[in-house]
Amino acid sequence: AQSVTQLGSHVSVSEGALVLLRCNYSSSVPPYLFWYVQYPNQGLQLLLKYTTGATLVKGINGFEAEFKKSETSFHLTKPSAHMSDAAEYFCAVILTDSWGKLQFGAGTQVVVTP
Amino acid sequence: NAGVTQTPKFRVLKTGQSMTLLCAQDMNHEYMYWYRQDPGMGLRLIHYSVGEGTTAKGEVPDGYNVSRLKKQNFLLGLESAAPSQTSVYFCASRGLARSTGELFFGEGSRLTVL
Repeated sequence: AQSVTQLGSHVSVSEGALVLLRCNYSSSVPPYLFWYVQYPNQGLQLLLKYTTGATLVKGINGFEAEFKKSETSFHLTKPSAHMSDAAEYFCAVILTDSWGKLQFGAGTQVVVTP
Repeated sequence: NAGVTQTPKFRVLKTGQSMTLLCAQDMNHEYMYWYRQDPGMGLRLIHYSVGEGTTAKGEVPDGYNVSRLKKQNFLLGLESAAPSQTSVYFCASRGLARSTGELFFGEGSRLTVL
């Protein structure tokens, strides 16, 4: 069965500093992986996704993630944090035995300090 | 451009009361999902539907029922609410192509059971 684990439930970064959110996956088949962002009192929206092809994936708002099969990781990064990046971020994987159901990680809350 | 709309956005119930959450999408999506979000647990799938007239159980289906009588609507019902069902509920939908994987989320329905 597929699953994802997010390391760190809370991350605090200074404005302008690197944002690094960690996600490791478990899957017996090539996974489809996603990062979603949730701003306060809103639903989730897609940041980026990896399906096949290029392992470095660029998303919206300057975020990117790299699929590393050898490390079973899909970490999310942004070179320079902005105050508007304060949100909760979820890593997710599509379950291969399902109708496109997503299995979400527990989420990482990002706080950006001036 | 409405996307996914959930009603109501807030509701307070007493233990034992019943209620229905409505999800409507205007994107002609085949698949629809109900998730609940609780602190530290990410999103957990309650029920889902792969087309009009079909429903299936997700990870945490107990205490909930669903119906998909029309393609655009997916209803989540609580027959006898319990305090453990206090949560934020999200509806999501997506199209047929499994490889895209992108779910479109509503803004959530916050339910409190006293």
